[in-house]
Amino acid sequence: KNQVEQSPQSLIILEGKNCTLQCNYTVSPFSNLRWYKQDTGRGPVSLTIMTFSENTKSNGRYTATLDADTKQSSLHITASQLSDSASYICVVRDWDSGYALNFGKGTSLLVTP
Amino acid sequence: DAGVIQSPRHEVTEMGQEVTLRCKPISGHNSLFWYRQTMMRGLELLIYFNNNVPIDDSGMPEDRFSAKMPNASFSTLKIQPSEPRDSAVYFCASRGQGINTEAFFGQGTRLTVV
Repeated sequence: KNQVEQSPQSLIILEGKNCTLQCNYTVSPFSNLRWYKQDTGRGPVSLTIMTFSENTKSNGRYTATLDADTKQSSLHITASQLSDSASYICVVRDWDSGYALNFGKGTSLLVTP
Repeated sequence: DAGVIQSPRHEVTEMGQEVTLRCKPISGHNSLFWYRQTMMRGLELLIYFNNNVPIDDSGMPEDRFSAKMPNASFSTLKIQPSEPRDSAVYFCASRGQGINTEAFFGQGTRLTVV
């Protein structure tokens, strides 16, 4: 059973609008949670990382939040740009194994003019 | 550093043929991962190496899949014989030491088995 669930599966927004992507996970305990951006035809690239004790982390127009009690994270994109069109993947690193990464299936975002 | 380098970028092969995917990790990284990505299942770990030693190969789907890491700067993933259901994008990633270090991904190899 997948331990990281993302929603929505896909999303279309107009350029300049904001959006929020959701990630629910059951991985416990975990060492960190990352959001990756994957452009078409390329490998995933890390946007943000949060450890258990962190609630929010920003990277430019990207802001990630983490609620470790409810095991939820979100990625908020502000003032979207066409280049934000990509798949966004939530990844939770397992504490016990020390190396295992649990991947969500991603949210496919399309920003239109 | 040029990042994680994978080759080839694209591979089309006939069913039954042997396929070898190659990966050069980032210099100094001691962990290397092979992942497979499909629309249905997302990213799945195939095998994890630490200091060139396979630590977890539980994700390798069948005996047709094998991976080697002869030294710190090179790894291969081999499929023999290949089948159409092996068609996917295969990613190699490497990571340095530390609990919160980032795994850097290569550009992937898109494999099509016809």
